[in-house]
Amino acid sequence: QSVLTQPPSTSGTPGQRVTISCSGTNSNIGSNAVTWLQQLPGTAPKVLIYDSNQRPSGVPDRFSGSKSGTSASLAISGLQSEDEADYFCAAWDDSLNGSLVFGGGTKLTVL
Amino acid sequence: ELQLVESGGALVQPGGSLRLSCAAFGYTFDDHAMHWVRQVPGKGLEWVSLITWDGSSTFYADSVQGRFTISRDNSKNSLFLQMNNLRSEDTALYFCVRDRGTYYEGMGIDYWGQGTPVTVSS
Repeated sequence: QSVLTQPPSTSGTPGQRVTISCSGTNSNIGSNAVTWLQQLPGTAPKVLIYDSNQRPSGVPDRFSGSKSGTSASLAISGLQSEDEADYFCAAWDDSLNGSLVFGGGTKLTVL
Repeated sequence: ELQLVESGGALVQPGGSLRLSCAAFGYTFDDHAMHWVRQVPGKGLEWVSLITWDGSSTFYADSVQGRFTISRDNSKNSLFLQMNNLRSEDTALYFCVRDRGTYYEGMGIDYWGQGTPVTVSS
């Protein structure tokens, strides 16, 4: 059971816009930065969004992040076949002794 | 170019020990806290441990507390994970991950290594 809650799967057609949600609590998303990760099959995770809504250089502006209260979202516009991957959210959690917590991951299928 | 390169993964028997290493390149290593994160292939991501920039504070997941020890050598731009009393449930790909901050300010993570595989089996 993951601390952050994501839908296990979502899908879309090429060109469509999809969003992936990530729900947490005051001790994680509510008080710390959210990171979104993309993991293509057989590869290491790659950061798509950091600090909740910032894109690293090289990440297309089709990817955007937002945060409101204890929830965050990743939006992908102009969906492309190469976007088919697993997506994870992450945030530091201040409760107890502190830990980095992840969502369970969302498998995006491009139909 | 910024790179994190893990090594040391292997097949080990239950109860055995292993030491993972992560070599950092292309940035000022002691400007950042570091994490170890693991993943069973096909499954989700599980945080293992964090060490602050100077090694003064360390944090562990409950599942590894008392068995794993994280450390770093800033003079050698290296991060380590000493794993003792290994169990079958420790089998995973272990990633070295850079934190954007120096302590545990909650700034998030950015760069990942490619991972090193650990298999615990008799």
